[in-house]
Amino acid sequence: KQEVTQIPAALSVPEGENLVLNCSFTDSAIYNLQWFRQDPGKGLTSLLLIQSSQREQTSGRLNASLDKSSGRSTLYIAASQPGDSATYLCAVPTGANNLFFGTGTRLTVIP
Amino acid sequence: GAVVSQHPSWVICKSGTSVKIECRSLDFQATTMFWYRQFPKQSLMLMATSNEGSKATYEQGVEKDKFLINHASLTLSTLTVTSAHPEDSSFYICSAPSWETQYFGPGTRLLVL
Repeated sequence: KQEVTQIPAALSVPEGENLVLNCSFTDSAIYNLQWFRQDPGKGLTSLLLIQSSQREQTSGRLNASLDKSSGRSTLYIAASQPGDSATYLCAVPTGANNLFFGTGTRLTVIP
Repeated sequence: GAVVSQHPSWVICKSGTSVKIECRSLDFQATTMFWYRQFPKQSLMLMATSNEGSKATYEQGVEKDKFLINHASLTLSTLTVTSAHPEDSSFYICSAPSWETQYFGPGTRLLVL
């Protein structure tokens, strides 16, 4: 059974710092991995989708990497801003075409 | 990109009443939609898979008689929480796939008093 874990569960950083969020999964037979952002009480915003054939995917200040063999993905956020404060979720597809979500990392960027 | 809407965005109801939540794919058709539930400070957990033209598939531990799902058309799935109780208070999110990408609705916050 797939397990998706995100470390740390919560993170506070001062504005301007670069940071890395980690996601690990136990079943490496995935064809992609997706990172989402969720603001309090809101739905999900897709940030990056990285295919299993890719090692990295970039969008603005965000960079996601995927290492299937080790069952890990990282989300790198450069020059963090208070507006980046949110919960970040990674998710992998299941065989039934839905998503299995990680435990989430709650990020707070302090002005 | 594809858009999924949910209605209502929030609802407060008395214990024992039923609540219906709609999930619509606005610009694409979806033979399958997914319903997730998220309790405070927890991640999203899949509740059930809604299938157009056939019965929904429920995850282990989710009561099918309590959470009624109807996939009425290729663009609409409804989740009805029957005889809601305070422990059903949660954030309910639906999603629909399009070209291997899942598109999520904005969510519905349910508070049962």
